[in-house]
Amino acid sequence: NAGVTQTPKFRVLKTGQSMTLLCAQDMNHEYMYWYRQDPGMGLRLIHYSVGEGTTAKGEVPDGYNVSRLKKQNFLLGLESAAPSQTSVYFCASRADRAYSGANVLTFGAGSRLTVL
Amino acid sequence: GQQLNQSPQSMFIQEGEDVSMNCTSSSIFNTWLWYKQDPGEGPVLLIALYKAGELTSNGRLTAQFGITRKDSFLNISASIPSDVGIYFCAGLYTGNQFYFGTGTSLTVIP
Repeated sequence: NAGVTQTPKFRVLKTGQSMTLLCAQDMNHEYMYWYRQDPGMGLRLIHYSVGEGTTAKGEVPDGYNVSRLKKQNFLLGLESAAPSQTSVYFCASRADRAYSGANVLTFGAGSRLTVL
Repeated sequence: GQQLNQSPQSMFIQEGEDVSMNCTSSSIFNTWLWYKQDPGEGPVLLIALYKAGELTSNGRLTAQFGITRKDSFLNISASIPSDVGIYFCAGLYTGNQFYFGTGTSLTVIP
């Protein structure tokens, strides 16, 4: 049982390049989230999804797009990377509210992105 | 967005000492979570709290859900070197968004 898997773990981009981060979970969770973590700022929500085919904006959505075509996958895209998007990105998932322990996030190991 | 104030920001303690940290919010929560993050890894859940006043233990860790629902506390007893890391609190009211503290960095000196 892998839990939440993020790929790639590391990536270096040049300004203006595009890329996609993949998050996959094998727990049949309904909810999935993308966060970014920057020094001294804690985890900030970029986008989230409450089920297959749905997405919603979080606290810092600008410059990012997401898609949830399959329940187990949540993709985070950067169309034109900027140095301000240098960060560590974490994906997390959460069970449906009908299940006990649903108010808990399970995190992946993170994807470290550097934009030059 | 909602800000959670977590203190202290960092702690340097001797092995064997007890540790206390807390998290406060300007709004009430229905769930408080405590996570630990090791370098280069994602946060791992330590304790989940679901009721005001609840006191829950996980080995040497004990966490409490504050009566006002605006705060939570985490205690670590008899610290050991592997306790080193960053500890985060997180809160959830209703809805889908969790809010996180900025973390407490713990260093344990052998």
